[in-house]
Amino acid sequence: TQLLEQSPQFLSIQEGENLTVYCNSSSVFSSLQWYRQEPGEGPVLLVTVVTGGEVKKLKRLTFQFGDARKDSSLHITAAQPGDTGLYLCADDAGNMLTFGGGTRLMVKP
Amino acid sequence: ETGVTQTPRHLVMGMTNKKSLKCEQHLGHNAMYWYKQSAKKPLELMFVYSLEERVENNSVPSRFSPECPNSSHLFLHLHTLQPEDSALYLCASSQDPRQSTGELFFGEGSRLTVL
Repeated sequence: TQLLEQSPQFLSIQEGENLTVYCNSSSVFSSLQWYRQEPGEGPVLLVTVVTGGEVKKLKRLTFQFGDARKDSSLHITAAQPGDTGLYLCADDAGNMLTFGGGTRLMVKP
Repeated sequence: ETGVTQTPRHLVMGMTNKKSLKCEQHLGHNAMYWYKQSAKKPLELMFVYSLEERVENNSVPSRFSPECPNSSHLFLHLHTLQPEDSALYLCASSQDPRQSTGELFFGEGSRLTVL
């Protein structure tokens, strides 16, 4: 059974700071998705990465996929209070997604 | 209409009650899912329906009973639940899961408390 570990579990930072969160798998990802879940909402897809070494940018968010496709990172530059939420990674293997435990981020004004 | 709508948003029930959660998707998708989100645990897949047929059932206790009458509607019938079943139940849909799930579109969830 594949295990996805996300770190850190919790992160509290001040507005304007940079941060990186990580997602590591016990086996190779089929393809990797990152979601953000804001309080009181369901998760929303941020990005999908498929190719080892791939880098994708979404405004202040930079997603990297490891060369061996077993790890990924999400870097946020100049965090804002609107970035607050639960960041989830998920492996898309067939007709189901396997999720990590998430990183809960709080950005204080 | 929002993409995926869940009702009720909040539900409190006793262990002997019978209740149902409802999910409706307005995206024209072919697959629908129930996930359970508990504190300190990853999102757990409960059921998957593809083209109205159940294709995944992850060893979920029989006190949870899904129903998918058509590709737009999904229900989760609840009966004789336990306090540890208290959680956020998320419904999701995706376009065509036959080769890969692709993007999941989630509802806002139904917060269930079992007393």
